[in-house]
Amino acid sequence: DVKVTQSSRYLVKRTGEKVFLECVQDMDHENMFWYRQDPGLGLRLIYFSYDVKMKEKGDIPEGYSVSREKKERFSLILESASTNQTSMYLCASSFLTGANSPLHFGNGTRLTVT
Amino acid sequence: GENVEQHPSTLSVQEGDSAVIKCTYSDSASNYFPWYKQELGKRPQLIIDIRSNVGEKKDQRIAVTLNKTAKHFSLHITETQPEDSAVYFCAAKRRQNFVFGPGTRLSVLP
Repeated sequence: DVKVTQSSRYLVKRTGEKVFLECVQDMDHENMFWYRQDPGLGLRLIYFSYDVKMKEKGDIPEGYSVSREKKERFSLILESASTNQTSMYLCASSFLTGANSPLHFGNGTRLTVT
Repeated sequence: GENVEQHPSTLSVQEGDSAVIKCTYSDSASNYFPWYKQELGKRPQLIIDIRSNVGEKKDQRIAVTLNKTAKHFSLHITETQPEDSAVYFCAAKRRQNFVFGPGTRLSVLP
């Protein structure tokens, strides 16, 4: 069974802090994604990566950056956290090829910025 | 880019009745359409999916239909049970990217 593990379930940070959200997958998936989930807005893509050291902007990349130094690990970085980044963050992974390659999600990190 | 709309936003049904959730997409290049179920406090889980060259797929009480011409796809749940209560998300995949609908909160009333 695919396992996508996010390092923290809950985080509370102060405005202006640098925040790291970590995600690790164990299925040798090429693709990794960071989504943000807010009520009524569904899941919105922040960044994704299809290979080590590769990254692509999603729909809402402003205020975020990512790092993919190893295939199994994808980090989301908030350079200077702001209150409007309070949200649920979901990491996901999938295979690169194959039309029937769904996303597998982690349990999510609920981030509160005060 | 791709845009996915989903209706209704909330849906209440009596236990044993059917539930239907509808989604539309904008990009004709999208070729894969998964549905996810998210229970309260849990991760989204894939429940069924369909490729663009297939019109219908069924898995026990769950079925998905796809109309490529009209660019819409639907989730059908028959004989609903209380454990079907959750938020359901549709998605459309184009190349390596998934775009999600805003979700439907389904409540199955005993």
